[in-house]
Amino acid sequence: LAKTTQPISMDSYEGQEVNITCSHNNIATNDYITWYQQFPSQGPRFIIQGYKTKVTNEVASLFIPADRKSSTLSLPRVSLSDTAVYYCLVGDRSGSGTYKYIFGTGTRLKVLA
Amino acid sequence: DSGVTQTPKHLITATGQRVTLRCSPRSGDLSVYWYQQSLDQGLQFLIQYYNGEERAKGNILERFSAQQFPDLHSELNLSSLELGDSALYFCASSVEVGYSYEQYFGPGTRLTVT
Repeated sequence: LAKTTQPISMDSYEGQEVNITCSHNNIATNDYITWYQQFPSQGPRFIIQGYKTKVTNEVASLFIPADRKSSTLSLPRVSLSDTAVYYCLVGDRSGSGTYKYIFGTGTRLKVLA
Repeated sequence: DSGVTQTPKHLITATGQRVTLRCSPRSGDLSVYWYQQSLDQGLQFLIQYYNGEERAKGNILERFSAQQFPDLHSELNLSSLELGDSALYFCASSVEVGYSYEQYFGPGTRLTVT
């Protein structure tokens, strides 16, 4: 079974850049890598998605190396409201060949004043 | 607000019972996904439907089943409930463009089995 792993937790101060990495060694060939933010008792919220190299939107950047076995979510200048759990999501076609979606283990980010 | 609605918000039931969770996707989305989130297992993919057909399947228990109706809403049926089924159940929907998709999640249904 494919493992999609992330650091369990990270602390940062307001205004700093935060980088969260996800390892996904069995990502399906054509699949995109997606990152989500989740606050307590709420559904995950889409942050950014990419296939390879670098993608940037108004809230984050996503870096994906050529082998696509990992990805890094970069949050510039975090604020207290960015305190949340961050998940990567990839498609996986390992094992019996059936397709399934695999969420990472989640990284709990705490932003300190 | 993601545009995905789930009912009920909370559900408390006893072991051995059966419950049905309902999901209405965003307008125009043909795909519906179901996930289970528990403290010890994290976010687990259960099943995906696309325009009424099963598209992908995760580690969904045989006691669980789902379907997507012609109006695109979906229901997740959980039967012979056990204490370990207590969790948050999320529905998500998306418009698929090739392999690119953004899944929009509903607020979830919190199931407590006593």
